Amino acid sequence: DTGVSQDPRHKITKRGQNVTFRCDPISEHNRLYWYRQTLGQGPEFLTYFQNEAQLEKSRLLSDRFSAERPKGSFSTLEIQRTEQGDSAMYLCASSSPHGQYFGPGTRLTVT
Amino acid sequence: AQKVTQAQTEISVVEKEDVTLDCVYETRDTTYYLFWYKQPPSGELVFLIRRNSFDEQNEISGRYSWNFQKSTSSFNFTITASQVVDSAVYFCALFTGNQFYFGTGTSLTVIP
Repeated sequence: DTGVSQDPRHKITKRGQNVTFRCDPISEHNRLYWYRQTLGQGPEFLTYFQNEAQLEKSRLLSDRFSAERPKGSFSTLEIQRTEQGDSAMYLCASSSPHGQYFGPGTRLTVT
Repeated sequence: AQKVTQAQTEISVVEKEDVTLDCVYETRDTTYYLFWYKQPPSGELVFLIRRNSFDEQNEISGRYSWNFQKSTSSFNFTITASQVVDSAVYFCALFTGNQFYFGTGTSLTVIP
């Protein structure tokens, strides 16, 4: 257990529905990252927060994706109008100067 | 452009053998960090090591050691006397410009 938690761990949804995932980072870490990982691939960077400010967004993050970190603590990642191609593991990580620690991930299946 | 290459897709070794996982990175930035992560079958990514671009000292932690060579842009990872519990996918990653870039991973199987 790295101290980073994600909820839910699994989500099955129908195409076209909206989904929201939550990440609770290690409390003293001010940096938070979201990644997406598909089978056989390494994690792909989606977005990054320093406290409540979203400082970087990947081109992978289409307008259907939005992320927030309202008080600089937990973060949410929302996907609107889900598509089958969104099926993946969504990983959250928080970091300190010493390292980056990942949560267990939320596995999304879009049917 | 930033890139991490892990040319070895899959490796199998017999228990107690040593194994080296290769990682080659590309970046024009002078300040960057390199990481290794382990992803066991359970799926959670486990942080192993972080090195910054100014520190080329090799590091040893138990059976694990890392060799960082800026001249060849490599950050290789060696497991000595491998054990079955080392079976996992190992990812090398580059952090620069506030973004992480991961390789495609090397799947290591240690055969008892």
